[in-house]
Amino acid sequence: EAEVAQSPRYKITEKSQAVAFWCDPISGHATLYWYRQILGQGPELLVQFQDESVVDDSQLPKDRFSAERLKGVDSTLKIQPAELGDSAMYLCASSPKLTGGADGYTFGSGTRLTVV
Amino acid sequence: QKEVEQNSGPLSVPEGAIASLNCTYSDRGSQSFFWYRQYSGKSPELIMSIYSNGDKEDGRFTAQLNKASQYVSLLIRDSQPSDSATYLCAVYDTSGTYKYIFGTGTRLKVLA
Repeated sequence: EAEVAQSPRYKITEKSQAVAFWCDPISGHATLYWYRQILGQGPELLVQFQDESVVDDSQLPKDRFSAERLKGVDSTLKIQPAELGDSAMYLCASSPKLTGGADGYTFGSGTRLTVV
Repeated sequence: QKEVEQNSGPLSVPEGAIASLNCTYSDRGSQSFFWYRQYSGKSPELIMSIYSNGDKEDGRFTAQLNKASQYVSLLIRDSQPSDSATYLCAVYDTSGTYKYIFGTGTRLKVLA
């Protein structure tokens, strides 16, 4: 069964350092999503790509977060500088098309970030 | 601000009982609804989707939708300790970009 790949699984970083996460969506999926899930809360969309273009980044803290999907395949989410409040699970998901989420989509295994 | 609300729990039920998880949503125009199961430290896993009023059954799981009341529920029959997890309700928002709006989740504990 096709999967969304994410790495690393776990990351511990010091406050004010830079950190990056990687996501490889299911092959052929045009739409890619990054969600953040703070402990005890539901996932919240940070950024959504359609191919290499950003469709929605309204909840992305742009002063410190950046995301790219240069060739419309895999994607990188970066935080610089990291803050204590960034400690969370970062989840990636993909769907075949922009409206593909209507059928439900599969998350990757996530990256658990701890900022100390 | 569109919202999805769930009781955070924990909801404790004995093994073999029916667990009932509830969710309300604010956007009356919503059409697609999902339940995800999330084990501690793991990513959410899709277990049910429902689009029409009424019940939808899949094994031990039944999703119920009432659009007039803006209410979605998930019933788990014959609950097992392995069902102990957080259950996230999600609504598919198509009013702008296409994304899920999640509730905070209900933690279920099935007692052996």
